[in-house]
Amino acid sequence: NAGVMQNPRHLVRRRGQEARLRCSPMKGHSHVYWYRQLPEEGLKFMVYLQKENIIDESGMPKERFSAEFPKEGPSILRIQQVVRGDSAAYFCASSETGSGTEAFFGQGTRLTVV
Amino acid sequence: GESVGLHLPTLSVQEGDNSIINCAYSNSASDYFIWYKQESGKGPQFIIDIRSNMDKRQGQRVTVLLNKTVKHLSLQIAATQPGDSAVYFCAETARGYNKLIFGAGTRLAVHP
Repeated sequence: NAGVMQNPRHLVRRRGQEARLRCSPMKGHSHVYWYRQLPEEGLKFMVYLQKENIIDESGMPKERFSAEFPKEGPSILRIQQVVRGDSAAYFCASSETGSGTEAFFGQGTRLTVV
Repeated sequence: GESVGLHLPTLSVQEGDNSIINCAYSNSASDYFIWYKQESGKGPQFIIDIRSNMDKRQGQRVTVLLNKTVKHLSLQIAATQPGDSAVYFCAETARGYNKLIFGAGTRLAVHP
């Protein structure tokens, strides 16, 4: 049973481009969470999704950021028109029950905006 | 010793010593707490958890202590090893909540 898979592991984008981060949850998990981590800081919650539904997006910036978790395929975190301040590590976690306490984390995608 | 600067606070210990990492949590309503270990370039890895109806829980070489009166959590690592070098985060949540609130983290540096 593979763990939470995130790709790419590293992503470099120029300012103004779009970044697409993918997360495949653990087998049997239908709940996905996205967190952002700035250098030397803790993780900050962004969004919680269940298959085809956004349940809690209270941590998502109002503009340029969106997330989806389609019926088939991975969850996608999309950042449009990236700026330097978007440079961070983005972690995905998944759980079977929807409890954030039972979530397993992926290895993250490190986004660098140049 | 422990130092706080512009970056993560760092706890430096000698191999074989015991380590104590502290965390102050923010929400009085939080009833579940987790300690995570994060190695460089990797995601957070679960270490140990504790519910608010307990004040102590032990695992293999690790112990978590919870003081709800002062909203304080600590992680004790016995006989610290070089492989324990990492950043350690506490996280809190409450029943019915689906997200974790992470603390700022402490870097543990183990010296031979």
